[in-house]
Amino acid sequence: AQSVTQLGSHVSVSEGALVLLRCNYSSSVPPYLFWYVQYPNQGLQLLLKYTSAATLVKGINGFEAEFKKSETSFHLTKPSAHMSDAAEYFCAVSDVNNDMRFGAGTRLTVKP
Amino acid sequence: NAGVTQTPKFQVLKTGQSMTLQCAQDMNHEYMSWYRQDPGMGLRLIHYSVGAGITDQGEVPNGYNVSRSTTEDFPLRLLSAAPSQTSVYFCASSYGVQGSYEQYFGPGTRLTVT
Repeated sequence: AQSVTQLGSHVSVSEGALVLLRCNYSSSVPPYLFWYVQYPNQGLQLLLKYTSAATLVKGINGFEAEFKKSETSFHLTKPSAHMSDAAEYFCAVSDVNNDMRFGAGTRLTVKP
Repeated sequence: NAGVTQTPKFQVLKTGQSMTLQCAQDMNHEYMSWYRQDPGMGLRLIHYSVGAGITDQGEVPNGYNVSRSTTEDFPLRLLSAAPSQTSVYFCASSYGVQGSYEQYFGPGTRLTVT
C-alpha cells in the first residue's frame, strides 16, 4: 500500500521567512499527491494537488510544491511566511482507486 | 451550496452505547468517505462509497458500519462504542471516484467515549 512520511511534526519560522514542509511518498504506481491545510477546529482544505501534469504545482495563498520522482518527494514551500499561515499541514497520496493515505501532519508556527 | 455538513459537532458516549454520525453533501458528488483523525496519526480512512448502494472498507473499519441509500447522505454508525473510538471524525466527498479528484471535508465531529 502507498504511504506518506512527513518529516517534522512541528516547524517554526519567523514571519517573512521561507516555509519548507517536507513530504516523501511511497507508491508502486504513478501517484496523485495533495497538500491540505487544517486551521484550528476546522476541516481540511485543499492547498494544491499534483496529477501528472506540470511537476511544479502552484496552490492557494502563495504555496507551491514540486514533484520529484527521483527523490519520491513533494515538498511544500512558500517564500515568505505570514502569521495567517499558522496551521497544520497534511500531505496525502492517492491512486486511481481513490485509496488516499495521509501523513501524520506538520504543525506550522509563525513567530512575529 | 452548504458543501459537506456533519452533525453533531460534539458527542459524549458511554462505553457500549451506539450512535450515528450524520454526513450530507449538496454537490452531487459520487464519492464519499469517513476518516478519523488522531494525534500524530493523520487521517485514516474508515469506510468509503463510490455511489448510492455501494460501500467498502477502508484502513480502519472495525466497529463502524455505513450505508448509502442516497447520493447526498452517508451516515456512520458506531455499533458499540469503545474508548478507542474517541477521535475526531471527518466526512469528505469528491466529484469522481478516481483518485485525482480533490476531496471536500466537513467540519468534523469530536467524539469522546468514556
